[in-house]
Amino acid sequence: DAKTTQPPSMDCAEGRAANLPCNHSTISGNEYVYWYRQIHSQGPQYIIHGLKNNETNEMASLIITEDRKSSTLILPHATLRDTAVYYCIVRLPGSNYQLIWGAGTKLIIKP
Amino acid sequence: DTGVSQNPRHKITKRGQNVTFRCDPISEHNRLYWYRQTLGQGPEFLTYFQNEAQLEKSRLLSDRFSAERPKGSFSTLEIQRTEQGDSAMYLCASSLLSAGDVLHFGNGTRLTVT
Repeated sequence: DAKTTQPPSMDCAEGRAANLPCNHSTISGNEYVYWYRQIHSQGPQYIIHGLKNNETNEMASLIITEDRKSSTLILPHATLRDTAVYYCIVRLPGSNYQLIWGAGTKLIIKP
Repeated sequence: DTGVSQNPRHKITKRGQNVTFRCDPISEHNRLYWYRQTLGQGPEFLTYFQNEAQLEKSRLLSDRFSAERPKGSFSTLEIQRTEQGDSAMYLCASSLLSAGDVLHFGNGTRLTVT
C-alpha cells in the first residue's frame, strides 16, 4: 500500500531553516505529494504540493528526489508560529479522493 | 472568504445517543470531505461529496455513520447509537474540483462519548 514515513519529531532553532523529510517509496508515477500542517486545536492547513519538480511558494519549498521516493519540505526561516505537526500525504491507490495521512512530524521551533 | 465552518465545536453525549454535526463549506467549493482524527494520529478519511452526490465512503465507516449534503451546500454527519470509540475530532474540508487535493479544513467538532 502506498504510504509515507516521517520522523515523529524534530527541533529547529528560530530563524534557521527547518528541513522535514518524508519517504514515499511506493508512490505511483502520476501521484502528487502534498504537505499540510496542523497547529494545535486547529484543522490542517495546506502548505505545498509537487509531482516531479521542486516547488516553492510563500510558505515553503518542496524538494522531490529524482526517483520520487522521498521529498523534503523546507521552511526557510522558521518562526515560533511554525511549531506544528507536519504531514506528508499521498493518495490511496485506486481512490480519486482518499488521502493517506500518517502520524506526521511534530516540529518544535525553539527560541 | 469566511472559511469552512463547523458546528458545534464541542459535543458531549452519552453512549447510545445520536449526534449530528454540521459543516458549512466555502461557498463556491463543490467538493466536501469528512475526516475523523484521534489523539496523536493524522486525519482518517470518512466520506466525500461532489456537489450533492456522495461518491466515496471509507470501507471502515460503520453503518451507524451517515452523511448528507442536500443541494450541494452544507453537509451533516450523523452518528447513531454512539459508542465510546466514536470519541474523536470530526473534521470537514472543502475544495474546488479544479484544485486537486488542496483542501480547506474547518477547525472540527470534538465529540466526547461518556
